[in-house]
Amino acid sequence: KNEVEQSPQNLTAQEGEFITINCSYSVGISALHWLQQHPGGGIVSLFMLSSGKKKHGRLIATINIQEKHSSLHITASHPRDSAVYICAVREGGTASKLTFGTGTRLQVTL
Amino acid sequence: NAGVMQNPRHLVRRRGQEARLRCSPMKGHSHVYWYRQLPEEGLKFMVYLQKENIIDESGMPKERFSAEFPKEGPSILRIQQVVRGDSAAYFCASSPFAGGPFVNEQFFGPGTRLTVL
Repeated sequence: KNEVEQSPQNLTAQEGEFITINCSYSVGISALHWLQQHPGGGIVSLFMLSSGKKKHGRLIATINIQEKHSSLHITASHPRDSAVYICAVREGGTASKLTFGTGTRLQVTL
Repeated sequence: NAGVMQNPRHLVRRRGQEARLRCSPMKGHSHVYWYRQLPEEGLKFMVYLQKENIIDESGMPKERFSAEFPKEGPSILRIQQVVRGDSAAYFCASSPFAGGPFVNEQFFGPGTRLTVL
């Protein structure tokens, strides 16, 4: 069993829909990251969370430390949101490796 | 402030050759991480370095792979005698030494796509 599980693996949505991607992990963590990987392959860090909720534009990330679960929400989705969204956890201190989920491939259509 | 830079962006090698991948961290960052993404697979940690030190190499294959981060210059991931199974995207990330609002963030480079023929 992977330490970091994401669902769904693939997601197709129509423009304007509200999207939720889930991430569950089985280890104690010091922080959780949400990353975005575009078809060209580059990786962008969206959020880093250790508790609560963060919002940036149309993106919202939440984490429940007790339940070992995080969600990434996209409001009013747009075709340019099409990408792979990756959850990653950091188990150790402030400078240590990330362990990644396998990603959720999102396709937003017109 | 330029982001994390990696070169080359694409590298083609024949089986048995050596591959050298370079990573220049963001200015002021002294922590470098290397990750590998095999085709149709997720990202996997390889090695974590600080200047002149390997801190965690638990994800590095035991043979043919090495990494360094010298006092001056970029971090280098070296793969000797490449095999087809080494074909992957190799990403570098960097983070600051300590302090400030981004101390726990990792900033990713664009990756090097290695193809072994």
